[in-house]
Amino acid sequence: GQNIDQPTEMTATEGAIVQINCTYQTSGFNGLFWYQQHAGEAPTFLSYNVLDGLEEKGRFSSFLSRSKGYSYLLLKELQMKDSASHLCAVRDSNYQLIWGAGTKLIIKP
Amino acid sequence: ETGVTQSPTHLIKTRGQQVTLRCSSQSGHNTVSWYQQALGQGPQFIFQYYREEENGRGNFPPRFSGLQFPNYSSELNVNALELDDSALYLCASSLEFSGAGANVLTFGAGSRLTVL
Repeated sequence: GQNIDQPTEMTATEGAIVQINCTYQTSGFNGLFWYQQHAGEAPTFLSYNVLDGLEEKGRFSSFLSRSKGYSYLLLKELQMKDSASHLCAVRDSNYQLIWGAGTKLIIKP
Repeated sequence: ETGVTQSPTHLIKTRGQQVTLRCSSQSGHNTVSWYQQALGQGPQFIFQYYREEENGRGNFPPRFSGLQFPNYSSELNVNALELDDSALYLCASSLEFSGAGANVLTFGAGSRLTVL
């Protein structure tokens, strides 16, 4: 079966750095996405990786290792508004998105 | 540029009833996908429509059906509602259905369905 694993919850301090890990086992691979979802709101796109390596976009970076089935999302200079669920999703061989359950990130002052 | 809009935002139904949820895709997008998101879980793919044809379906029974219209708006219909159908239903639009590039999804705010 297809599976995406990520921690259920993480806590970090405002201004700090946090890394959210994601491991996956899917039927094929056509890209990995990170989305952010605030409570009661729609998911919004953060990053996309299809090749191994690091993609940087402002305060957010995402890393991919296809051989290890592993990705992480790195958030720097944490702000209170980063408190949200962070979802990892993999596009499989049928170009369907398989989603993790999300990592609830709690930012403390 | 308008985003994705969904209606209704909340609704309550009873077991055995039928429901229709609606979605207007973002201007310029021709692909719509629907997801079911239970509380505390990630979205589960229901199906996708590209130019009015279903071109992908997740592990959902036939009582989940849909339509896409010429203006690329879409409907999700669920028949014979069950208690487990209670969830947030998300609609997302994108420019193309396949994997050339990021093909970022733009989500609507969702329709929260409660089945009693």
